[in-house]
Amino acid sequence: NAGVTQTPKFQVLKTGQSMTLQCAQDMNHNSMYWYRQDPGMGLRLIYYSASEGTTDKGEVPNGYNVSRLNKREFSLRLESAAPSQTSVYFCASPSGTSGGVSEQYFGPGTRLTVT
Amino acid sequence: GENVEQHPSTLSVQEGDSAVIKCTYSDSASNYFPWYKQELGKRPQLIIDIRSNVGEKKDQRIAVTLNKTAKHFSLHITETQPEDSAVYFCAASKTPRNTGKLIFGQGTTLQVKP
Repeated sequence: NAGVTQTPKFQVLKTGQSMTLQCAQDMNHNSMYWYRQDPGMGLRLIYYSASEGTTDKGEVPNGYNVSRLNKREFSLRLESAAPSQTSVYFCASPSGTSGGVSEQYFGPGTRLTVT
Repeated sequence: GENVEQHPSTLSVQEGDSAVIKCTYSDSASNYFPWYKQELGKRPQLIIDIRSNVGEKKDQRIAVTLNKTAKHFSLHITETQPEDSAVYFCAASKTPRNTGKLIFGQGTTLQVKP
C-alpha cells in the first residue's frame, strides 16, 4: 500500500515548455487534489476532483489543466510553463468517513523549476 | 471565499517551553479544522484535527482549541522538543464528506532550541 505517489520528483523546464505531473493513489479514495507550495504562502489549491469524472478549479487554476484519468490517477498539466510556476507541487487525497472529511494524505511532492 | 490567517509566521522557543500557533477563518460554515506538520523536504502530515462540535481536543503533548464564536482555533504544544521543529499549517474545510477541500493558512516555522 503506497498511499499517494507522484512523478517526477524533480523537474527543470524552460519557459514555454510543457509537462505533465502524474499522481496516483491506491487507497480507493474518491477525491484527489493538486496544491502548490510557495514560501510564505502555505499550500494553495490548484484543481481538485471530488470523484471520478469531475474536476473543479481551486484558488489558483490559471496556467494549469487537469485530467482525472480514473479513480486512481489525477494528472496536472502545464501547457506553457512560466517562471511564476516554479514551486513545489503536492498531490493529495482525503479519506472520507461517515462523520465527514478526515485526514488528507499527501504525495511526496514534485519540485519544479522554470527558467 | 474562505480565508485562513495564521500567526505568527515564525516562532522560536527554548526546549521544554510551550508553543502556541493561532489561526482565524472567515467562513462561519467551516466545520473541520486540521493541523499539519511539515518537516524540511518532506510532505505535510496530519498531527491533530478538530470538528466544529468540539471545543478542545488533546493528544499527548499537542492540543487544539476552537472558538466558533470568534472564528479562531489554536495549536498548543507543551514540553517542546527539538524534533518538534518544523513548519505547521492550519486549515479549514466546510465541504461534505468525501470531498475534503481544505483552505490552508500561510504556515508557522517553529524552531525549538536545545
